[in-house]
Amino acid sequence: SQQGEEDPQALSIQEGENATMNCSYKTSINNLQWYRQNSGRGLVHLILIRSNEREKHSGRLRVTLDTSKKSSSLLITASRAADTASYFCATANNAGNMLTFGGGTRLMVKP
Amino acid sequence: ETGVTQTPRHLVMGMTNKKSLKCEQHLGHNAMYWYKQSAKKPLELMFVYSLEERVENNSVPSRFSPECPNSSHLFLHLHTLQPEDSALYLCASSQRTHGYGQGRGEKLFFGSGTQLSVL
Repeated sequence: SQQGEEDPQALSIQEGENATMNCSYKTSINNLQWYRQNSGRGLVHLILIRSNEREKHSGRLRVTLDTSKKSSSLLITASRAADTASYFCATANNAGNMLTFGGGTRLMVKP
Repeated sequence: ETGVTQTPRHLVMGMTNKKSLKCEQHLGHNAMYWYKQSAKKPLELMFVYSLEERVENNSVPSRFSPECPNSSHLFLHLHTLQPEDSALYLCASSQRTHGYGQGRGEKLFFGSGTQLSVL
């Protein structure tokens, strides 16, 4: 299976609700990153959390990292229709020079 | 606009054609990447070019040939492709720092991709 696996694969919520996506990985990492992709477009970097950090915030985004469980979560608070996209986690190897992406979570936020 | 420009945006080609994908980054980065994104599959790293190294994914067929003439330009030459090569091809760039470990935390800047269809 993949180094980074997102859960759920698809998520549908109403505008204003919170969205939580999870990522699990198998080997030790240097850092973990979350990216967003609108349909048919490139990925956009959202946030990076290092292996010695446990939580990070950026606007409406909150990322947690539990290295003992090899998992991370991305929380989007007060979601908007414009948040509709696919969200990917990517893990960097110990050397920090190689990113491996998961399969992504497709988020739909209904107005 | 991410500072990474890919052309063309769409490409339809027959299995006997030869074509090239182009990527240009205006960010002053020192590393460039080709990724393949197929339906229902994770992003697959194909090639990496940086000042330190060139990395190839050994599973990439030889019908894909990268070229990186300088740190701002990256090409992917395509020849005798197969229908299963149809996918979104994404270029990315990053600023690589020297050394290893906690000091590194590179983030990738992606282009909008080339949607390739092989008939």
